[in-house]
Amino acid sequence: GDSVTQMEGPVTLSEEAFLTINCTYTATGYPSLFWYVQYPGEGLQLLLKATKADDKGSNKGFEATYRKETTSFHLEKGSVQVSDSAVYFCALKTEAGGSYIPTFGRGTSLIVHP
Amino acid sequence: NAGVTQTPKFQVLKTGQSMTLQCAQDMNHEYMSWYRQDPGMGLRLIHYSVGAGITDQGEVPNGYNVSRSTTEDFPLRLLSAAPSQTSVYFCASRRYSENNEQFFGPGTRLTVL
Repeated sequence: GDSVTQMEGPVTLSEEAFLTINCTYTATGYPSLFWYVQYPGEGLQLLLKATKADDKGSNKGFEATYRKETTSFHLEKGSVQVSDSAVYFCALKTEAGGSYIPTFGRGTSLIVHP
Repeated sequence: NAGVTQTPKFQVLKTGQSMTLQCAQDMNHEYMSWYRQDPGMGLRLIHYSVGAGITDQGEVPNGYNVSRSTTEDFPLRLLSAAPSQTSVYFCASRRYSENNEQFFGPGTRLTVL
């Protein structure tokens, strides 16, 4: 079945450091890929998405490129801020077999220090 | 639009008690689902629904019931609460299209003593 693997956290960085959170996937068919962010005490919200190979999703300075050859969708940001401290979830969604269920990774906690 | 709303925000139960977690959305979304979030486990799907009158089990359905009598509402019932059900519960909804994002509620933090 479909699966998403994220790097384990927490990831601890100083403000203005470069961020990479790795995400790889296994899926039947051609999935759409998503990154969600969960700020403390809140529900998840969509950060960015990509729907086909080589697409780049971007939002709030974050970027991720859909790499079909390496089945990856790594999240990057050039200069993190304290306000980026949150848990980040990689997810995929495919219509294979008529499934309506998205698959989430386990989440990666990011802690940014001033 | 209020989006996805959940009540209550916090709840403490004793073992064996029953309760219903409420979820409502005002976006006319066909698909609704319930997840639980536990440390180190990420999100696990409990039940989901693809429309009024249609529900199905997710990864961890035992101990929970759902119903979908209207498009807007998708309550989650705990039949006889157990300490293992201590968790944060999230309701989510979206449109059918595969490219559409899920919208999540703010969560219900449940403690079972």
